[in-house]
Amino acid sequence: DIQMTQSPSSLSASVGDTVSISCRASQTISNSLNWYQQKPGKAPRLLIYSASTLQSGVPSRFSGSGSGTDFTLTISSLQPEDFATYSCQQSYSNPVTFGQGTKVEIK
Amino acid sequence: EVRLLESGGGLVQPGGSLRLSCATSGFTLSSYAMSWVRQAPGKGLEWVSVITASGGRTYYGASVKGRLTISRDNSKNMVYLQMNSLRPEDTAVYSCAKHKGYGGNIDAFDIWGLGTMVTVSS
Repeated sequence: DIQMTQSPSSLSASVGDTVSISCRASQTISNSLNWYQQKPGKAPRLLIYSASTLQSGVPSRFSGSGSGTDFTLTISSLQPEDFATYSCQQSYSNPVTFGQGTKVEIK
Repeated sequence: EVRLLESGGGLVQPGGSLRLSCATSGFTLSSYAMSWVRQAPGKGLEWVSVITASGGRTYYGASVKGRLTISRDNSKNMVYLQMNSLRPEDTAVYSCAKHKGYGGNIDAFDIWGLGTMVTVSS
């Protein structure tokens, strides 16, 4: 199975900050990397697919980059509604696997 | 509006069984593969199983293979997860998730349900 490792596991930031979350795959996955946002009591929301393509309806302050084994989710000008947990997922091979999540908290 | 609504969770003893259901609406179910994904309390997301759009192929995670069975009824817009020989480590919120692309069994998940809680405990 492909292991997905996110860092950091949590971070504190202020409204207006730019934050970056890293996701590393244990083997190359081309650009088959997706990012999700999850809030307590709500369903996960797809933000980015194929490493860098913004899902319809997602604000442009979210962006994704990377290929191969190293990927980054960047949130520019953090908004109050962005405080949540973010998870990466590889869709390169079965079984699809997720990172352990990164919790973005208010500083 | 595209929606997924899970039901069927609850408290079950180790070794017991449950059948989860996922009611879909707002899209043509027969065009998409569907997965079940679970999240144990305080843990990350774990993919459980996928069924292709036609239902002809299924795949399972190693931790559930041989105990869980995914199925679908496209005519009723429903996806199911039969859970047998349940273990305490199966305790989690189980969510169904729609695959983003047409037909593919490995994909991003663009629509998720809220999930249904399964607790395995004596």
